[in-house]
Amino acid sequence: AQTVTQSQPEMSVQEAETVTLSCTYDTSESDYYLFWYKQPPSRQMILVIRQEAYKQQNATENRFSVNFQKAAKSFSLKISDSQLGDAAMYFCAYLTQGAQKLVFGQGTRLTINP
Amino acid sequence: GAVVSQHPSWVICKSGTSVKIECRSLDFQATTMFWYRQFPKQSLMLMATSNEGSKATYEQGVEKDKFLINHASLTLSTLTVTSAHPEDSSFYICSARVPSGRGGELFFGEGSRLTVL
Repeated sequence: AQTVTQSQPEMSVQEAETVTLSCTYDTSESDYYLFWYKQPPSRQMILVIRQEAYKQQNATENRFSVNFQKAAKSFSLKISDSQLGDAAMYFCAYLTQGAQKLVFGQGTRLTINP
Repeated sequence: GAVVSQHPSWVICKSGTSVKIECRSLDFQATTMFWYRQFPKQSLMLMATSNEGSKATYEQGVEKDKFLINHASLTLSTLTVTSAHPEDSSFYICSARVPSGRGGELFFGEGSRLTVL
């Protein structure tokens, strides 16, 4: 079974600085999708960024980018120019093939210091 | 993006009663929906996969008779917590896949907070 591990329960960063959230996963599949979701205090899950495993190029969405290392099974999220609105729980997630189920990591709580 | 709506967003019930939570895809048809449970300060745990017109597929350890899932139409899945007890208090979240969307894209409802007294 696939597993997703986020080793940083909490992270903090100064406003306007850059922060990187770590995620590793375990799978025997060759093709899959990886995601980062944001869950603010409202509890609404918001898709931040997606990476398709067969694409070597790292995904980027404005201030958010990933460092996808397929061989190392690593999928970190970099947030540049951090803003107060970025404060939230961040979940790394893996989409299984076949059943198409999302497997979530434990989450990282990100605090932005003004 | 696509919209998924849950109702109610917050419900309190007495122990022993049943509670129904609805998950609707508002602007697309979802053949598959997913139900998650989230305890405070924890991650989302997949409970079951809801398939339109067929029985739900439950994850290991989830009681089928406790958490009844019905997916009677392409836009509605319901989760009924039967004979609720305080330990069932939690945050329940649904998600739905857009059939024609890019691979793997799921949209989430706002979540429903259940408190059992």
